[in-house]
Amino acid sequence: NAGVTQTPKFQVLKTGQSMTLQCAQDMNHEYMSWYRQDPGMGLRLIHYSVGAGITDQGEVPNGYNVSRSTTEDFPLRLLSAAPSQTSVYFCASKGSADRDYNSPLHFGNGTRLTVT
Amino acid sequence: GEDVEQSLFLSVREGDSSVINCTYTDSSSTYLYWYKQEPGAGLQLLTYIFSNMDMKQDQRLTVLLNKKDKHLSLRIADTQTGDSAIYFCAESVNDMRFGAGTRLTVKP
Repeated sequence: NAGVTQTPKFQVLKTGQSMTLQCAQDMNHEYMSWYRQDPGMGLRLIHYSVGAGITDQGEVPNGYNVSRSTTEDFPLRLLSAAPSQTSVYFCASKGSADRDYNSPLHFGNGTRLTVT
Repeated sequence: GEDVEQSLFLSVREGDSSVINCTYTDSSSTYLYWYKQEPGAGLQLLTYIFSNMDMKQDQRLTVLLNKKDKHLSLRIADTQTGDSAIYFCAESVNDMRFGAGTRLTVKP
């Protein structure tokens, strides 16, 4: 039972490079989301999806794109990396698409990204 | 500023009780959560409380909710070294909003 799987675990990019952070879940969850974690700032929501083909912006969407072509996968793309995007990125999912429903978020183990 | 606020650090001795405090600002929060993050890992749900409850107990964990003051606390009884981690308070309104996390250090 893998849960939420994120790859890679670590990544170093140069400013201006692009990359995709992968996220997959095997729990048939409707809701998936991406957060970034920065020291002293908690987790901030980047983008989320309530189902295949549906995505929406969170609190800090600028510089990131997402797509949801399947229920299982929710990749996060950085089109032109900047040092301000140095962070730890977490993907999370939950069973109900209703964001207010008491269904706990399941988190992946994170991707630590450094942009030089 | 932060919608959910927590102190950043707490240090206790093994066997003592730990109390981690949190304040939130949105009175329409339906559920309030406590998550635990161990080094190199994602967040794991510890416990949650529905907004119409004052207290919830789950083994060594006690959650207290004061809706009037928008204050949430997590008490860990008989704290062990394995409890050392970062604890996040979160509120659920339209989206999950997290505090900055409290790093709990348990000294033997």
